[in-house]
Amino acid sequence: GESVGLHLPTLSVQEGDNSIINCAYSNSASDYFIWYKQESGKGPQFIIDIRSNMDKRQGQRVTVLLNKTVKHLSLQIAATQPGDSAVYFCAEISNRNSGYALNFGKGTSLLVTP
Amino acid sequence: DVKVTQSSRYLVKRTGEKVFLECVQDMDHENMFWYRQDPGLGLRLIYFSYDVKMKEKGDIPEGYSVSREKKERFSLILESASTNQTSMYLCASSLSQGRDTEAFFGQGTRLTVV
Repeated sequence: GESVGLHLPTLSVQEGDNSIINCAYSNSASDYFIWYKQESGKGPQFIIDIRSNMDKRQGQRVTVLLNKTVKHLSLQIAATQPGDSAVYFCAEISNRNSGYALNFGKGTSLLVTP
Repeated sequence: DVKVTQSSRYLVKRTGEKVFLECVQDMDHENMFWYRQDPGLGLRLIYFSYDVKMKEKGDIPEGYSVSREKKERFSLILESASTNQTSMYLCASSLSQGRDTEAFFGQGTRLTVV
């Protein structure tokens, strides 16, 4: 299937700084994307999603940007906190024979330092 | 809140054993998924199901099978466990077959095959 990849495997930021996590996708037909956060010992949790008819979507302290021209997705976290330390995955909707499933990237580990 | 429950957090099995991983969701979701998560590889789709008694292979189905006899329960079966199946296994569910649908994850089962 199509690949979803991340530019950096690890990211270290200071508490209070803004974080930017990047993701590249290769399937130009992809039209729905999700960012998940996975804390140690837990399953991935939904953070924010975006549809291809949008180029920006904001949540609480998080913003997702979508650039369809270069097939790039980013997650911005404002005023990063220690509780933001986790692995972040981008995922794209993948068309299968009988429906749809999410195709995940390899993940970026975010470490917030005091 | 949606709850996806995996029956075991940790399992240790011997090579050649038949292994059952159980997953139950309590929100009447039609879709259920099994992923495995390995360091540096992200989440990879093993199998999924869009209805009772219905299943479709994901990207890495070899060595696995699944069973969905009831809507709320989706089982992953390792017919003859091998050491390369040592991994974190994540179950997920989602509401509909629509494209714009997030998946909710369980806590994961860390399986070690010795």
